[in-house]
Amino acid sequence: SQTIHQWPATLVQPVGSPLSLECTVEGTSNPNLYWYRQAAGRGLQLLFYSVGIGQISSEVPQNLSASRPQDRQFILSSKKLLLSDSGFYLCAWDVGTYYEQYFGPGTRLTVT
Amino acid sequence: DQQVKQNSPSLSVQEGRISILNCDYTNSMFDYFLWYKKYPAEGPTFLISISSIKDKNEDGRFTVFLNKSAKHLSLHIVPSQPGDSAVYFCAASGGGADGLTFGKGTHLIIQP
Repeated sequence: SQTIHQWPATLVQPVGSPLSLECTVEGTSNPNLYWYRQAAGRGLQLLFYSVGIGQISSEVPQNLSASRPQDRQFILSSKKLLLSDSGFYLCAWDVGTYYEQYFGPGTRLTVT
Repeated sequence: DQQVKQNSPSLSVQEGRISILNCDYTNSMFDYFLWYKKYPAEGPTFLISISSIKDKNEDGRFTVFLNKSAKHLSLHIVPSQPGDSAVYFCAASGGGADGLTFGKGTHLIIQP
């Protein structure tokens, strides 16, 4: 069966510090991978998606970036965090056929 | 511009009764619709979906109805149980690997 992992589960970082969140998927090959953010009182906002290694599409211009160094690994990064980057970050995957996406447990990021 | 709207931030229903969660969309290119359930500090879990070629899909206690002419869908939960208390997100897809468009969610509270 397929599983998706995210770490860390929670993170508190000062403004201006770097960020690296990691997501890995097991039990499937060549998944589409996604990063979403849920800010307080808001829905889920798509940040990045990837259809393959090294292929990243950005939905929202911001100070975040994403990379996919391996087939089942997706990384969300920032060189300098802003207060507005606080939120709940979710990684998701699908295989592109049936549209359902499956989400990881999420990372709660608080920028202070 | 919000393409998927859930106009009720919260809904309170008595245990054993029917819960009806509503969702409206504006993009005519959406052809697949999904409902997700989310507990605090966890990733959303997929509940049920419906293709635009159907007007109803049923899975146990959960039924989703789609009215394409009104660009409206609803999720019915019968009977409602305490474990159904969660935030429910409506999502839509136009196909492809560019992610889902989510509504802001409805917090369903099942009262004993």
